[in-house]
Amino acid sequence: DIQMTQSPSSLSASVGDRATITCRASQSISIYLNWYQQKPGRAPKLLIYAASSLQSGVPSRYSGSGSGTDFTLTISSLQPEDFATYYCQQSYSTPHTFGQGTNLEI
Amino acid sequence: QVQLQESGPGLVKPSETLSLTCTVSGGAISNYYWSWIRQTPGKGLEWIGYIYYSGNTNYNPSLKSRVTVSVDTSKNQFFLELSSVTAADTAVYYCARGRHGYSGQFDYWGQGTLVTVSS
Repeated sequence: DIQMTQSPSSLSASVGDRATITCRASQSISIYLNWYQQKPGRAPKLLIYAASSLQSGVPSRYSGSGSGTDFTLTISSLQPEDFATYYCQQSYSTPHTFGQGTNLEI
Repeated sequence: QVQLQESGPGLVKPSETLSLTCTVSGGAISNYYWSWIRQTPGKGLEWIGYIYYSGNTNYNPSLKSRVTVSVDTSKNQFFLELSSVTAADTAVYYCARGRHGYSGQFDYWGQGTLVTVSS
């Protein structure tokens, strides 16, 4: 299985700040990397697919980059609704695997 | 707007079979991959397996011996069976759709259903 490792595990930030979360795969996954946002009691929501493509309806302050083994999710200017847990996930091969999550808190 | 809804027992006894249904509305089940994913505080998000609308399946090797995913296109539903459950199978279970043509980009999710394994 491909292991996905996110850092940091938690991140404290303020409204208006720029936030960056990184994800590393245990082997090259090309650009087959997706990012999700999850709020308490809710299902994950797809934000970014194929490393850098913005899912329909997702604000443009979200962006993704990277290829191979190292990836980044950036939120350019944090809004109150952005405080949540973020997960990376590889879709390069099965079993599809997720990172352990990054809790973005105020 | 596509919507997914999980249904099934919230409590299952150890050694029995967990059975869940995912009902898809607002869109066709055809031409997509449909997955089951579970979440626990300890192991996080775990992909269980998928079924293509045609019936092809792919399972997580860690669960493969106990998992069956099936589909009923006439009812726009797909199903999960997990046999010989233990307390470790207690989790929130989600059904999800793979973006068109991609099994592993989950663009629509159900709200999730908590299944507890306990006697």
